[in-house]
Amino acid sequence: KNEVEQSPQNLTAQEGEFITINCSYSVGISALHWLQQHPGGGIVSLFMLSSGKKKHGRLIATINIQEKHSSLHITASHPRDSAVYICAVETSGSRLTFGEGTQLTVNP
Amino acid sequence: NAGVTQTPKFQVLKTGQSMTLQCAQDMNHNSMYWYRQDPGMGLRLIYYSASEGTTDKGEVPNGYNVSRLNKREFSLRLESAAPSQTSVYFCASSENRATGEQYFGPGTRLTVT
Repeated sequence: KNEVEQSPQNLTAQEGEFITINCSYSVGISALHWLQQHPGGGIVSLFMLSSGKKKHGRLIATINIQEKHSSLHITASHPRDSAVYICAVETSGSRLTFGEGTQLTVNP
Repeated sequence: NAGVTQTPKFQVLKTGQSMTLQCAQDMNHNSMYWYRQDPGMGLRLIYYSASEGTTDKGEVPNGYNVSRLNKREFSLRLESAAPSQTSVYFCASSENRATGEQYFGPGTRLTVT
């Protein structure tokens, strides 16, 4: 079993829909990262959080340390949000362990 | 600022050939990383450098060597390439290994035949 599990693996939505991507992990962590990988391959950091909730524009990330679970929400989704979303956990020694990613497609 | 740059963008090698992937960052970051990304698997850490002059193995270091030339540059060398090293390689940097987001380069797509 992977240390970081994401669900769903693939997600197709219509423009305007509210989207949720989930990340569960099985190890103790110091922080959790959400990253976005564009269709061209570039990777951008979206959030780093260790508790509670963070918001940036239409993106919201939450984490529940006790339940070892994080969610990434996208409000009012747009086709330009189409990308792979990657969850990564930071463990002792600050190593990042990555999930396999969630492929999101938003159709107009 | 260019952020994190990587060269080359694409490379094809024959089994047994050697090559060096170059990475540079202009953000004055202390920590730098090399990852590989394979289909169906998450990014995996090959080597990292917490600060200039130090390097440490990550999850999949076999077949690779690294060199932190100075604070800006962190290179990854394949001494004798194998087909199993066909992958997309990403370099990343962060201000501090204990905190902070990582900034990624555009990646190098390597094929070993």
